[in-house]
Amino acid sequence: SQKIEQNSEALNIQEGKTATLTCNYTNYSPAYLQWYRQDPGRGPVFLLLIRENEKEKRKERLKVTFDTTLKQSLFHITASQPADSATYLCALGPGGYSTLTFGKGTMLLVSP
Amino acid sequence: ETGVTQSPTHLIKTRGQQVTLRCSSQSGHNTVSWYQQALGQGPQFIFQYYREEENGRGNFPPRFSGLQFPNYSSELNVNALELDDSALYLCASSLRGVATNEKLFFGSGTQLSVL
Repeated sequence: SQKIEQNSEALNIQEGKTATLTCNYTNYSPAYLQWYRQDPGRGPVFLLLIRENEKEKRKERLKVTFDTTLKQSLFHITASQPADSATYLCALGPGGYSTLTFGKGTMLLVSP
Repeated sequence: ETGVTQSPTHLIKTRGQQVTLRCSSQSGHNTVSWYQQALGQGPQFIFQYYREEENGRGNFPPRFSGLQFPNYSSELNVNALELDDSALYLCASSLRGVATNEKLFFGSGTQLSVL
């Protein structure tokens, strides 16, 4: 069956460092991959989308890579800030008008 | 703010009861998806509505049903509530027909507690 794995343990880093979150998947051939941010008690907020034919995407301090051979995406936040503390969700889409499948998310804690 | 509003924000029900959750999609969006998110888990897809018709369903029993109205707002109905139905229910709207249609815009959710 399809499986999406994200680090279940919280990631603790110091302000100013680069945070790297991992998303691995099996039994899936996604047309694209998305990353969302979710704060406690709130709905997820879209951050970035990367397609299967793209290797890397950037947006301000965010960078995402997508390796369809390794079946892995890495999500980087450079110069992290305490305000970046949240849960980050990886989501895969098969393409067309089908819906997204989400991982469990990784909690990021950035300390001052 | 995404422009997607859900009501109510919190709800407490007892086992066996029925519940209706409501969602107003973002202006201009024609597709609504519903997700269930249990504590510590990622959102799980329930179903999607496009132009008032169900267009895809996840692994949820028939007691989970929905509607989409001509103004693209939507309802999620759950009958015969079970304790395991306690979760955050998320509505997400999107626009089908343009290149960015894969991006979902979520509401803040309805926190349902079943006692």
